[in-house]
Amino acid sequence: AQSVAQPEDQVNVAEGNPLTVKCTYSVSGNPYLFWYVQYPNRGLQFLLKYITGDNLVKGSYGFEAEFNKSQTSFHLKKPSALVSDSALYFCAVRDFYSGAGSYQLTFGKGTKLSVIP
Amino acid sequence: DSGVTQTPKHLITATGQRVTLRCSPRSGDLSVYWYQQSLDQGLQFLIQYYNGEERAKGNILERFSAQQFPDLHSELNLSSLELGDSALYFCASSSGTATYEQYFGPGTRLTVT
Repeated sequence: AQSVAQPEDQVNVAEGNPLTVKCTYSVSGNPYLFWYVQYPNRGLQFLLKYITGDNLVKGSYGFEAEFNKSQTSFHLKKPSALVSDSALYFCAVRDFYSGAGSYQLTFGKGTKLSVIP
Repeated sequence: DSGVTQTPKHLITATGQRVTLRCSPRSGDLSVYWYQQSLDQGLQFLIQYYNGEERAKGNILERFSAQQFPDLHSELNLSSLELGDSALYFCASSSGTATYEQYFGPGTRLTVT
């Protein structure tokens, strides 16, 4: 079984400061990891993914994420937060060994990011 | 705009009723996924279809069913509705190949009164 934990329900950060949204995962094989963002009354938007390769993954809107296999973590980061980054962020995982054609993702409960002007 | 469309945007109905939610995937995507988002349960995977066939099942109630049609659009049918079924229902699609990321529609907000 695969699972994702986002230990913080809410993260507050001042505009211009670096931000980190934490995610840890559990899978039986190698993980495929994703970050999504949800703005109010909108669907989820794909930000970035880790499949294989470099541990630092760059995505949309200046976001990046660092994959750490030993700590089973995939934290989302941005060097300088914007007020417009305020939203709900979801981490998701897929086990490499999921059945063929089954691309089910398991999502964390989400972290609300508030960037304070 | 993700390219995934969902109708209707809002739905208000009474307990015991049946509703159908519709999803059109991005052009070329073969996989469709349905999710339920509620405040207490978070984002829950319901079911996945791939090129017309059911491929994976999650926490989907027996009162709920889905199908994917030859033109790849999908419908989620919810019957014998209860107050607790009130939620946002999202459809997502993916190509079904090695890219894996899913693209989400804007959702249907279902309110059961």
